[in-house]
Order: sequence, then C-alpha cells, then structure tokens
Amino acid sequence: NAGVTQTPKFQVLKTGQSMTLQCAQDMNHEYMSWYRQDPGMGLRLIHYSVGAGITDQGEVPNGYNVSRSTTEDFPLRLLSAAPSQTSVYFCASSYSGTGGGEKLFFGSGTQLSVL
Amino acid sequence: GESVGLHLPTLSVQEGDNSIINCAYSNSASDYFIWYKQESGKGPQFIIDIRSNMDKRQGQRVTVLLNKTVKHLSLQIAATQPGDSAVYFCAENPLAASNYQLIWGAGTKLIIKP
Repeated sequence: NAGVTQTPKFQVLKTGQSMTLQCAQDMNHEYMSWYRQDPGMGLRLIHYSVGAGITDQGEVPNGYNVSRSTTEDFPLRLLSAAPSQTSVYFCASSYSGTGGGEKLFFGSGTQLSVL
Repeated sequence: GESVGLHLPTLSVQEGDNSIINCAYSNSASDYFIWYKQESGKGPQFIIDIRSNMDKRQGQRVTVLLNKTVKHLSLQIAATQPGDSAVYFCAENPLAASNYQLIWGAGTKLIIKP
C-alpha cells in the first residue's frame, strides 16, 4: 500500500516557467489537499478537493491551479512560477475531511526552487 | 486573526527523559486539535488528536493535554527515544464540520541528547 505518492521530489524552475506537481493516493480517500511549507512557518493550505470534480481554494491559492478528474489524482499546477513560490509542497488526503477532523496522510513532499 | 503558536522553537531532551512540547491557540471556538510529527525529509505524520470535550488523551508513549481556560495544548512524550527526533506541529480545526482549514503552528524541533 503506497499511501500518498508525490512526484517529483525536487524541481528547479526559472521564473515564468510552468510545471505540474503530481499527487496520487491509493486509499480511496475523498479528500485531498495541497499545502506549502516555508521555513519557520506552519503548513498553509493552497487548494483542496472533497471529491472528483470538486475543488476549492485554501488560504494561499494565488498562482496555483488544481483539478480533480479522478478520486486518485490531484495535480497542482504552477502556470508562471515566481521566486515567492520556492517552498516545500505537500499533498495530503483523508477519508472524508468531515466530522470534526480526520487524520491526514501526507506525501513525502516536493522541494521546489524558482530562480 | 486566528493563530496557533508554539512557545519553544527548539527543545533538547536527554534520551530516556520525558518531553513536553507546548502549543497556544487563539480561537476559543476550535473544537479539535491534532499533533503531527515530521521527520527530516518526510511529510508530517499523525500522532494523536483531542476534542474540546476532553482534557487529556493518551496514546502509546504520548499524552495530549488540553487546557481550554488558557487555550493551551501540550504533547508529552514518555521515555524519549532517538527516533522521537523530529519537528512537532500542533494544529487546530476552528470549523467543527471539517478539517479543510486546519491552522498549523510553526513547529517545535525536538533534539534528543544521547
């Protein structure tokens, strides 16, 4: 059972380039989310999805797009990378995301540098 | 605004001793609190959670205490081991219906001295 799989683990972009961070889970979780983690700060929610075809914005959505065509996959797109998007990105999933909180399962992260 | 913060960014503990990691929260309406452990190069991993109708919850070698009067949360780790070295995050859920908008603290780094 792989859990939550993120690719790539490391990525370097030039300002203005685009890329997609991949996230897949094999636990049949309805809820998936993307966080960014910056030094000295807690995790900040970028976007989340409560099921296929449903997405919504989190705390810091600007500069990022998401889609959820299947239960398993939740890619995060950077359309025009900026140095401010240099961060470690984590994908997380849980069974439903409701009921007062359920534990999140995290991927191992993608370290992104934008030059 | 709402925030979850930690009192100590780094905590050094002798192996075998007990560790106490503290967390303050500001939203008195939050009813669910979670502790996560993040080892170097890995994603956060769930440790233990507690709801606001409880003061204490115990797991395997870990205990979470909730003091709603002073809006304080703590994680106690008994008989600290080298494998406990990690960054520990507390998070609160200010919305009872979902964990969509967890608010995370900045983290405390736990260092185990041999």
